[in-house]
Order: sequence, then C-alpha cells, then structure tokens
Amino acid sequence: KNQVEQSPQSLIILEGKNCTLQCNYTVSPFSNLRWYKQDTGRGPVSLTIMTFSENTKSNGRYTATLDADTKQSSLHITASQLSDSASYICVVTSSGTYKYIFGTGTRLKVLA
Amino acid sequence: EAQVTQNPRYLITVTGKKLTVTCSQNMNHEYMSWYRQDPGLGLRQIYYSMNVEVTDKGDVPEGYKVSRKEKRNFPLILESPSPNQTSLYFCASSLADSYGYTFGSGTRLTVV
Repeated sequence: KNQVEQSPQSLIILEGKNCTLQCNYTVSPFSNLRWYKQDTGRGPVSLTIMTFSENTKSNGRYTATLDADTKQSSLHITASQLSDSASYICVVTSSGTYKYIFGTGTRLKVLA
Repeated sequence: EAQVTQNPRYLITVTGKKLTVTCSQNMNHEYMSWYRQDPGLGLRQIYYSMNVEVTDKGDVPEGYKVSRKEKRNFPLILESPSPNQTSLYFCASSLADSYGYTFGSGTRLTVV
C-alpha cells in the first residue's frame, strides 16, 4: 500500500534554532517528492520538489534531502523564525499517475 | 496574479441541500484536483481532472461530483450533503505532473 509517514507529529523549538523533519514513504514506482508548508487554515505552498536523481535541494533556509534507496526524505530548517510556525507536509507522486499521496504533516511551533 | 480562487471561504448548510463550491485558476493549467483535509488524516484526493472533459475519481469520491467544461473552472458539487462531509476543502491546479501544485485558500464546509 502506498503510504507516506512523517515524524515527528509535532515539534516546538526556539527561534534561531535548527530542526529536521522526516518523511518515509512506501510509494512505488516513485516519481517525485514534494515538501509543502501550510499555515493554519490556508492552502499548502510548495517549498521543494525532488525527483529520483536528486539528493539535495535548497530553498532559502529550507533544505530537503532524498535517499531513494531507503525511501526517506528530510526537510532541514536553518535559523528558524517565528514565521516558520506551520505544518509541513511531505507529498509523494507515483510514476504514471496523477495521484499524490500526502503525509499527515509535522506541526512546527517556533517560540520567541 | 497567478492564483487558484475558491468560493465561498466558509459555508454552513443543512443535510440534503445541494451545494456547489467553485474553483477557478488563471494559469492555464491543465491539471486540477479537489482535496478534503480532516484532522489527523491529512489531505485526501476527491476528484481530479487532467484536462477539459476528462475527470477521474480520487481516493474519497463518494458523495461528490465534479465537472470540467472549461479549462479554468473545476466546481465541486455535493448533491445531498451529509454531516460526514464537514471538512476543509482545497482546490489545486498544476501545469503538469512534474510541477508543484498551486492551492486555493480553502473552503471550510459545515453540514448540520
């Protein structure tokens, strides 16, 4: 069964600290993996998209990694800011389909 | 401004009263999709459309209908809403499978 699991479910950190969010997937065949940021009550916004051949991709203070062999991805946030408080969702697409399998997200809270 | 526009943002209705949630995108995207988001379950796909007059069921299509008569519009229809359809709904569009989604701002529906 195609699944995407994220950990931790929630995380609280102090402003300025770094953090890493995890995503494990069992989707096969794999096409690409996306990380989205979702503010409460708003639509998700794309942060990164990674294909099978990409190991690392950065978007400002956000760096995503992908290990296609172990089917794991991580999202590293550097020097966190209060505005980083949101849910972060990992989404995997299976090749040849338009179906996106969503993780349940990690809820991040950054405290001053 | 490139965007996906959903209306209404909030809707309270009674069981059995037909309703339509509209979705429009101005990016000439071929691919559009509807999702519902419930606590602890993440985003689940209801229906998607790969182009005009081409639609297909997602993971949770029961109780919903869609149509794609024009490229820019993809309305979600609830013929006879029930309380278990109370949820936060998102419309999204994409240029192609390898591109990220652009999500609308969401419609919070309550069925009493």
